[in-house]
Amino acid sequence: KQEVTQIPAALSVPEGENLVLNCSFTDSAIYNLQWFRQDPGKGLTSLLLIQSSQREQTSGRLNASLDKSSGRSTLYIAASQPGDSATYLCAGNSGGYQKVTFGTGTKLQVIP
Amino acid sequence: DTGVSQNPRHKITKRGQNVTFRCDPISEHNRLYWYRQTLGQGPEFLTYFQNEAQLEKSRLLSDRFSAERPKGSFSTLEIQRTEQGDSAMYLCASSLVGVTEAFFGQGTRLTVV
Repeated sequence: KQEVTQIPAALSVPEGENLVLNCSFTDSAIYNLQWFRQDPGKGLTSLLLIQSSQREQTSGRLNASLDKSSGRSTLYIAASQPGDSATYLCAGNSGGYQKVTFGTGTKLQVIP
Repeated sequence: DTGVSQNPRHKITKRGQNVTFRCDPISEHNRLYWYRQTLGQGPEFLTYFQNEAQLEKSRLLSDRFSAERPKGSFSTLEIQRTEQGDSAMYLCASSLVGVTEAFFGQGTRLTVV
């Protein structure tokens, strides 16, 4: 059974810092790895989706990497802003969203 | 159609009451998923539909839970005889068959008092 772990559980950084969020998964036979953002009391917003054949994806200040052999993904946020404050979830998809396993998230606070 | 819509956004109910939530997916999406998210945890899969057919149910979906998608468009999730442990955010997502990305709604937060 797939298990997804995110470290750290919480992170507080001053505005402008670059930061890395970590995600590890136990079953390397994933179809894709997806990063989401969740604001308090809200639903999930997809940030980046990396297919199993890809190594990384970029969108603006965000860059996500995937290393299936080591069971790891990282989300890099450049030049963090207070508006980046949210919980970031990674999810391993083993073949359809009925087989998605989410991590417990990293709660990020960016201090002005 | 701007995305997946869920109603209500918040629901407070007394223990033992029945509640029903609604999800309107993106109009052309034929797959619809329900998840439950408790505080501090990631979402967990409950069930999903392809058109009107319910194809899979998680062990989390006890007998008190029932989901329908009668015309292959919107879906409802009903919880009967609610318990305090049912308090959670219920998320809905939709996608096209064969397309890898699903889109999530804003969720319905249920509080059972």
